[in-house]
Amino acid sequence: QVQLVESGGGVVQPGRSLRLSCVASGFDFSNYGMHWVRQAPGKGLEWLAFISYDASIIYYAESVKGRFTGSRDNSKNTMFLHVDSLRAEDTALYYCARDQFRSSYWLDHWGQGTLVTVSS
Amino acid sequence: DIVMTQSPESLTVSLGERATINCKSSQSLLYTSNNKNYLAWYQQKPGQPPKLLIYWASTRESGVPDRFSGSGSGTDFTLTISSLQAEDVAVYYCQQYYNLLTFGGGTKVEIK
Repeated sequence: QVQLVESGGGVVQPGRSLRLSCVASGFDFSNYGMHWVRQAPGKGLEWLAFISYDASIIYYAESVKGRFTGSRDNSKNTMFLHVDSLRAEDTALYYCARDQFRSSYWLDHWGQGTLVTVSS
Repeated sequence: DIVMTQSPESLTVSLGERATINCKSSQSLLYTSNNKNYLAWYQQKPGQPPKLLIYWASTRESGVPDRFSGSGSGTDFTLTISSLQAEDVAVYYCQQYYNLLTFGGGTKVEIK
């Protein structure tokens, strides 16, 4: 079955950087687009980034463009999100999710998320 | 950016009754070349990640009970739960994929 497992979250000081990982299993990772989505405590969902199946296309939400960098390593079935200059408002549960196939459409499988807390 | 607005923010419905959630987009999600509306619906229960319910505005994901249905076109969409069950207590989100992705603010459904 499809499994997505995020890691890399934790308590981080403002201004520092962080790299989140998402390890996929149970499907042909190299053939699917992938997304990052976050959810601040008690709030709604915010889409952050899409990385195409071969990483040739990467889209970002305007709110994070320039600070967030998505990437993937298909040989390791792993996707990454590098976050620079962390702010208090980046505190959230960060989910990775699989696109329905190669395009940036709907998200048919989600991980459990990794929690990032930005605090001094 | 396409803005998605859901209403109401919360909804209290008796068991077995109908629940209706609305979602409005700031521009049309209908792609005329294929006549498809680029809209999905998700359900998120407490402590869980979201779960896909519907895509193409009205196509139910495999395994989703048929009491869930989606309708609408262009800028106005609806998710209907025909007969609310206890396990349907959740927050529901719409999401457009016409231009990148945007989620609505969510609608919390509770039992009366």
